[in-house]
Amino acid sequence: ILNVEQSPQSLHVQEGDSTNFTCSFPSSNFYALHWYRWETAKSPEALFVMTLNGDEKKKGRISATLNTKEGYSYLYIKGSQPEDSATYLCAFYSGYSTLTFGKGTMLLVSP
Amino acid sequence: GAGVSQSPRYKVAKRGRDVALRCDSISGHVTLYWYRQTLGQGSEVLTYSQSDAQRDKSGRPSGRFSAERPERSVSTLKIQRTEQGDSAVYLCASSLVGGDTEAFFGQGTRLTVV
Repeated sequence: ILNVEQSPQSLHVQEGDSTNFTCSFPSSNFYALHWYRWETAKSPEALFVMTLNGDEKKKGRISATLNTKEGYSYLYIKGSQPEDSATYLCAFYSGYSTLTFGKGTMLLVSP
Repeated sequence: GAGVSQSPRYKVAKRGRDVALRCDSISGHVTLYWYRQTLGQGSEVLTYSQSDAQRDKSGRPSGRFSAERPERSVSTLKIQRTEQGDSAVYLCASSLVGGDTEAFFGQGTRLTVV
């Protein structure tokens, strides 16, 4: 069973703060790393699918970096807004078996 | 619709009873996953299948969980002899190929075992 760890488990920030969280995954047999946003009462939606070491992807105020050699990815949110409140999930794919998800980081942004 | 849909949205089951949850995935998607999200435990994969495999592979082998895929875009998750610890949101997701393409999720079925 693959170990995908996310930290912190939860985070509470004020509107306008920038924040980041971490996803750690096995550094061997890397194929892809996914980030999803899961808002309450909605389906999880993909933010990024990253496959290359050193890759950096950006979508609006959200960006992610990937280090496959050391087995981690960071998700950054610049100038957090209340609508960013959600659980952020990362998922690792080794090329075998299935996507393995972390337990998520729950973000709450207060106005 | 073009998305993944799950039914029912909510299910209450008496402990010990069997339940079946349905997922209609996106036409053309090869891989289909079933996950369970519980408070405090995060998400865990229950089963996944690729292509036309009628019987799903188990992410975490358990005699009480099984899934069937009678058609490529339809899957049924069966939980036998439900336990209170099975109370969770059950998510279905599908992807075009394997884990290197994004997964599309349904809205989930919230199961409460009483």
